[in-house]
Amino acid sequence: GENVEQHPSTLSVQEGDSAVIKCTYSDSASNYFPWYKQELGKRPQLIIDIRSNVGEKKDQRIAVTLNKTAKHFSLHITETQPEDSAVYFCAASNAGGTSYGKLTFGQGTILTVHP
Amino acid sequence: NAGVTQTPKFRVLKTGQSMTLLCAQDMNHEYMYWYRQDPGMGLRLIHYSVGEGTTAKGEVPDGYNVSRLKKQNFLLGLESAAPSQTSVYFCASNNRRTLHNSPLHFGNGTRLTVT
Repeated sequence: GENVEQHPSTLSVQEGDSAVIKCTYSDSASNYFPWYKQELGKRPQLIIDIRSNVGEKKDQRIAVTLNKTAKHFSLHITETQPEDSAVYFCAASNAGGTSYGKLTFGQGTILTVHP
Repeated sequence: NAGVTQTPKFRVLKTGQSMTLLCAQDMNHEYMYWYRQDPGMGLRLIHYSVGEGTTAKGEVPDGYNVSRLKKQNFLLGLESAAPSQTSVYFCASNNRRTLHNSPLHFGNGTRLTVT
């Protein structure tokens, strides 16, 4: 089955700096890569996703890049703010066939943005 | 439209006790999932269902059973709880027809402690 590795496990930055979180996946059939943000005590919330036919996607201060050859994808947050502090999860799935939308998650990254 | 609702929100069990976690969704979604979340391990899929009357094992199914007697409900059962099942449990659902374009809808989670 799919295996997703996420690094780093913790990341501490100063407000205004950039943050980068990296994930690798093992199944070359995976074609959908979402990123979730989870605040303390809350449910995971989708913040951005990318499909394998796209190399990069941006949404304001958030961007995701995908390298299918190397099987890795990254989340980039620019101009970080204290409210970006949360746990971030990457995930992968084969959005089709008999995968039924099952997501395999990375281990999570605790991002702390210091004012 | 309540989305995905999980009950209970919190529960403390003694080793060997049984309980059922209820997940209800009002979006007419075909696919439903149960994940557990443990520190440093991300979210791991326990069981999932692709429609009423169907269930399948995920990554960590041992010690759990599930049932999907009605399309809107997905029940997760622990027959004999163990301390290793202390975790936060998330239910999620998705629409089969818009799988490629819609994120997982998560419930608010159930925090279970087994002593």
